[in-house]
Amino acid sequence: QLQLQESGPGLVKPSETLSLTCSVSGGSISSSIHYWGWIRQPPGRGLEWIGSIYYSGTTYYSLSLKSRVTISIDTSNNQFSLKVNSVTAADTAVYYCARKRSSTWYFDLWGRGTLVTVSS
Amino acid sequence: QSALTQPASVSGSLGQSITISCTGTSTDVGGYNYVSWYQQHPGRAPKLMIYDVSNRPSGVSSRFSGSKSGNTASLTVSGLQAEDEADYYCSSFTRSSTSVFGTGTKVTVL
Repeated sequence: QLQLQESGPGLVKPSETLSLTCSVSGGSISSSIHYWGWIRQPPGRGLEWIGSIYYSGTTYYSLSLKSRVTISIDTSNNQFSLKVNSVTAADTAVYYCARKRSSTWYFDLWGRGTLVTVSS
Repeated sequence: QSALTQPASVSGSLGQSITISCTGTSTDVGGYNYVSWYQQHPGRAPKLMIYDVSNRPSGVSSRFSGSKSGNTASLTVSGLQAEDEADYYCSSFTRSSTSVFGTGTKVTVL
């Protein structure tokens, strides 16, 4: 049973970089039929797609976050990562990593999520 | 990319049916058959309920069904049960090769 687990600091200072990693267990991140993505949810608010990455390194990003976001993949360690630069309080959210089928556009498997708070 | 529009709340009695709408544009919902729906209980990760407009993943109850007409997709929950009380989000592929979520709908079972 494939599982995803987010990890990283729960507190980040304003103007600094938020960094999270998603570890994939029970299956290979190098699957040719899947993309891997990040979605976030501010407290009490809705879901926001951040971006997705293929094992080859191909990426797709939200147009509103593209200038501040980098998603990378480490196939040797079966994990992928998210970096958000120049964070503000508006970036405070639960961050989820998830799996997407490459031939379509839905997320069929999600991590449990991790809360990141931006505060000094 | 603006969020897809959903009603803030929908309610129904046990055993009844409810329908949640998800309105976008021709550049997202109306342009592609890549609409999905997610159920989220408080404090939990979202769960995929419907994909590609009307397909149900294995293990999801047949009481959940999806459809689309023009720029509006819909999720219908029939035979409403207490455990269906949750937040529901739609999502769509967009012309910009991105994903957009709906504003979310809180379902209350009376």
